[in-house]
Amino acid sequence: NAGVTQTPKFQVLKTGQSMTLQCAQDMNHNSMYWYRQDPGMGLRLIYYSASEGTTDKGEVPNGYNVSRLNKREFSLRLESAAPSQTSVYFCASSDRDGQETQYFGPGTRLLVL
Amino acid sequence: ILNVEQSPQSLHVQEGDSTNFTCSFPSSNFYALHWYRWETAKSPEALFVMTLNGDEKKKGRISATLNTKEGYSYLYIKGSQPEDSATYLCAFVDYKLSFGAGTTVTVRA
Repeated sequence: NAGVTQTPKFQVLKTGQSMTLQCAQDMNHNSMYWYRQDPGMGLRLIYYSASEGTTDKGEVPNGYNVSRLNKREFSLRLESAAPSQTSVYFCASSDRDGQETQYFGPGTRLLVL
Repeated sequence: ILNVEQSPQSLHVQEGDSTNFTCSFPSSNFYALHWYRWETAKSPEALFVMTLNGDEKKKGRISATLNTKEGYSYLYIKGSQPEDSATYLCAFVDYKLSFGAGTTVTVRA
C-alpha cells in the first residue's frame, strides 16, 4: 500500500498561472482533505470531501477549487496563482468522519513568483 | 473557525528529562481530539485519537490525557530522546479537524 500520494512534490509558478495538485489514496477511505501549511500557522483546511461526490469549503477556500474525481482521487486546482498561495500543501484521507485518524501525503511545495 | 491553542509554542528539553505541553479547545460540542507528531521534512503522523472525557492514551514513552469539560488535553513525553524532536499538533474535531499551531520540541543530547 502506498497510502496517500501527491504529485508534484515541488512546483514553481508565475503569478496568474494555473495548476492542479493531484492526490490519491489506496486505503479505500471515504473522506479526503486538502490543507496548506504556513510558518507559525499550523495546518489550515482548504477543502474537504466527506464522501465520493461531495465537497465542502474549509477555513481558507478562496482561490482554490477541488474535484473528487472518484473515491481514490481528490485534486486541488489553482486557477490563477498568487504569491499568497506560496505554501506547502498536504492531502489527507480518513475512513470516514473526524473520529478517525487522518493519513497524510508527503506534501507539495509550491512557490508562486 | 475554532480556536485551538497550543502552548508553549516551542520548548527545549535535555535528553532524559520528561516534559509536557497543552492543547486548549472549545469545551462545547466536543466530538474528538487528535494528536499528531510531525517531523521536519515529513508528513504528520497520528499519535492518538481521544473521544471520551478522562481518556488516557499511551504509546511508548508518549502519553496524553483529555478533559473535555474544561477543554484541554496534555501530551507527556517521559525520558525524552533526540528522536522525540518534532512538532506536536493537536486537532479539535467538530465535523472536520481544526489544528493548533503546534508545539515544537527540541531534545538536546
